[in-house]
Amino acid sequence: QSALTQPASVSGSPGQSITISCTGTSSDIGAYNYVSWYQQYPGKAPKLMIYEVTNRPSGVSNRFSGSKSGNEASLTISGLQAEDEADYYCTAYAHRNPFYVFGTGTKVTVL
Amino acid sequence: EVQLVESGGGLVQPGGSLKLSCAASGFTFSSYEMNWVRQAPGKGLEWLSYITSDGKIMFYADSVEGRFTVSRDNAKNSLYLQMNSLRADDTAVYYCAREIPRCGGDCNDYWGQGTLVTVSS
Repeated sequence: QSALTQPASVSGSPGQSITISCTGTSSDIGAYNYVSWYQQYPGKAPKLMIYEVTNRPSGVSNRFSGSKSGNEASLTISGLQAEDEADYYCTAYAHRNPFYVFGTGTKVTVL
Repeated sequence: EVQLVESGGGLVQPGGSLKLSCAASGFTFSSYEMNWVRQAPGKGLEWLSYITSDGKIMFYADSVEGRFTVSRDNAKNSLYLQMNSLRADDTAVYYCAREIPRCGGDCNDYWGQGTLVTVSS
């Protein structure tokens, strides 16, 4: 099972909106509404930002939103802030091993 | 406060073994499914294993199936990862993570700080 495909980098200016794509297959993203997104700062553990495509855990800013269409999921960050500069990973449930497949990761840069 | 604290990492020779521990506190450990995830230096995240709250069902990634074994002791609020036949490409930071109950997919809402495993001669 290959990793989900994400752009290596995405950048934007403060206040702008950016979208990170996550492309999978009909065996993972396309099969279930079980897509999550994590934010990770260098040297730190990942933080859950979105789960089940669109749900935000308590405490996560509503500037973060998720969506899915077919075999592609997306994370949108609106009102970009300096603190959003980090790596972002998508992950999806797959009905065959590995059951949880991660994306390749996207580095977000705030210009 | 929910806390997950990994330990047991270190330097090990190729072919060797290591057992990681994850001490949980601040929540009812026996009610949560748990995962192990690793990250090789400068690389992305890789899911390794999953265990149900009662410890009866486990799943593994192909890359570690047959070499790694996940277990838990709910009486000790602890999760474990026994790693055998270690290879250089197992070098990574290893994280334990807690799943949101009844969540579909990989929904790890709390993570440990990670423990570094280095496989080298």
